[in-house]
Amino acid sequence: GQNIDQPTEMTATEGAIVQINCTYQTSGFNGLFWYQQHAGEAPTFLSYNVLDGLEEKGRFSSFLSRSKGYSYLLLKELQMKDSASYLCAVMDSNYQLIWGAGTKLIIKP
Amino acid sequence: IAGITQAPTSQILAAGRRMTLRCTQDMRHNAMYWYRQDLGLGLRLIHYSNTAGTTGKGEVPDGYSVSRANTDDFPLTLASAVPSQTSVYFCASSEGSSSTDTQYFGPGTRLTVL
Repeated sequence: GQNIDQPTEMTATEGAIVQINCTYQTSGFNGLFWYQQHAGEAPTFLSYNVLDGLEEKGRFSSFLSRSKGYSYLLLKELQMKDSASYLCAVMDSNYQLIWGAGTKLIIKP
Repeated sequence: IAGITQAPTSQILAAGRRMTLRCTQDMRHNAMYWYRQDLGLGLRLIHYSNTAGTTGKGEVPDGYSVSRANTDDFPLTLASAVPSQTSVYFCASSEGSSSTDTQYFGPGTRLTVL
């Protein structure tokens, strides 16, 4: 079966750095997406990785290792507004997104 | 530009009733999707449409039907609602259905079936 694993919840301090991990086992791989979802709102796109390596976009970076079935989202200089759930999703061989359950990130002052 | 709109925002429905959730996008995207999101689970694909006039089944299609008569609209119908269909439903769209096409989500519909 297809599986996306990410931690259920993480806590970090304002101004710090946090890394959210995602491991996956899917039938085929056509890219990995990270989305942010604030409570009660829709998911919004953060990043896309299809090749191994690090993609940097402002305070957020995303890393992919296809051989290890592993990705992480790195958030720097954490702000209170970063409190949200972070969703990892993999596009499988049928070009459908398989979603993890999300990691709820709690930022403390 | 509104992007994607969904209606209603929320609904309480008696079991056995028929319900249509509406989704409209103004981005002229070819592909549209319906997901449900339940606590502790990832988003699960119900149905999708790669282009107007075509639809396909996702991971959890039973009890749901869709139609795609034009590019903009993609309604989801529950023919006879059951309590297990209580969920938050998200409609999404993307320019195409290839690996590089980002999906954009509507605000969601919270449905409670009693």
